[in-house]
Amino acid sequence: GAVVSQHPSRVICKSGTSVKIECRSLDFQATTMFWYRQFPKQSLMLMATSNEGSKATYEQGVEKDKFLINHASLTLSTLTVTSAHPEDSSFYICSARTGGSGTEAFFGQGTRLTVV
Amino acid sequence: SQQGEEDPQALSIQEGENATMNCSYKTSINNLQWYRQNSGRGLVHLILIRSNEREKHSGRLRVTLDTSKKSSSLLITASRAADTASYFCATGGGATNKLIFGTGTLLAVQP
Repeated sequence: GAVVSQHPSRVICKSGTSVKIECRSLDFQATTMFWYRQFPKQSLMLMATSNEGSKATYEQGVEKDKFLINHASLTLSTLTVTSAHPEDSSFYICSARTGGSGTEAFFGQGTRLTVV
Repeated sequence: SQQGEEDPQALSIQEGENATMNCSYKTSINNLQWYRQNSGRGLVHLILIRSNEREKHSGRLRVTLDTSKKSSSLLITASRAADTASYFCATGGGATNKLIFGTGTLLAVQP
């Protein structure tokens, strides 16, 4: 199947700093990627839909100035957590599809963010 | 946003037994997918069933879909200890292509 690579897998940062997470589709082009957040023992909550060449679409309640998403190319989307606080500590996962809504989504390995 | 609810939230069975997980959702869908997640890892796609399909098989997996009841079930037959993981249903559809996940079932298969 298609491969989505997410980096870094783990990051620890200090409060007030910003952290960038990369999501790459390695063997296919993804016009749309999705960013999810997952708290321990909970499900994945969709944060935003990342569209290549245009602004991301954020879900209700997600601060777009806090979670900056850039989809600069057909194979790369980035999520930047700005001015991180301990409550931003979470597991962040990206996914991408090879086609429309009727196709399988491929997921990155996830990034464990810890803000101290 | 979360669309689906799954039950049970947690399921513990013995190796060799069958495991059944259920998913209910709220709005119209084009398809429903099941995913598996090992602790602290990314998700692995298991199976996709379209809204005009009622049942689908893949190896030891059997998925049913009842659009009139807005529900789906995942059956894992002859379970193995390696099947221990969290299982999520996800619904897809609409112009936005979004995949919305259910609450998940944590399956523990005891050797």
